[in-house]
Amino acid sequence: DQQVKQNSPSLSVQEGRISILNCDYTNSMFDYFLWYKKYPAEGPTFLISISSIKDKNEDGRFTVFLNKSAKHLSLHIVPSQPGDSAVYFCAARNAGNNRKLIWGLGTSLAVNP
Amino acid sequence: EAGVAQSPRYKIIEKRQSVAFWCNPISGHATLYWYQQILGQGPKLLIQFQNNGVVDDSQLPKDRFSAERLKGVDSTLKIQPAKLEDSAVYLCASSWSGGSLSTDTQYFGPGTRLTVL
Repeated sequence: DQQVKQNSPSLSVQEGRISILNCDYTNSMFDYFLWYKKYPAEGPTFLISISSIKDKNEDGRFTVFLNKSAKHLSLHIVPSQPGDSAVYFCAARNAGNNRKLIWGLGTSLAVNP
Repeated sequence: EAGVAQSPRYKIIEKRQSVAFWCNPISGHATLYWYQQILGQGPKLLIQFQNNGVVDDSQLPKDRFSAERLKGVDSTLKIQPAKLEDSAVYLCASSWSGGSLSTDTQYFGPGTRLTVL
């Protein structure tokens, strides 16, 4: 049972345009959501997070939007740069289960020059 | 600030052999995690330590996997005996876990890529 779903395994975007990565979840006990970026042969790197009491969090070129009623969040990257090419993981924290993180399968983003 | 250190970076063994991975978390981080990441999947939590106590090991295959965190700092993860399906990247992460949401952010090491032949 996949509680955190990233339905797009891959995404290709032109440099300078907007990248939108989507994530859906099923568990209403999730209270905190995070996005991680992973380059090949490296561990995931924390990118940005959002609390379930917020609907938007922005950090430079990265913005995360949370729609609790739809159980959906998205990561916007504007403008996209070739260095953003990586696998992006959505993770959700379960407030009631040792605050464990539940991870999606990842979306591979390719930003083309 | 030094990040999470892991060794070795790569390991190739034959099935039924044993293997051990080492992790040194970020200084001051109380919580340490071991994850298994199979190709094409997200990380799967194997075990979580708070200082030197186990918080969650519900997904650790205890018949073959073991982990310890002596003195609440470094940790080792062992597999004995290894199976083909254990081929994966083993990630160690740590967090400060001071109680607020931001301090729960997990920081990852580079991982150990294990290949079982």
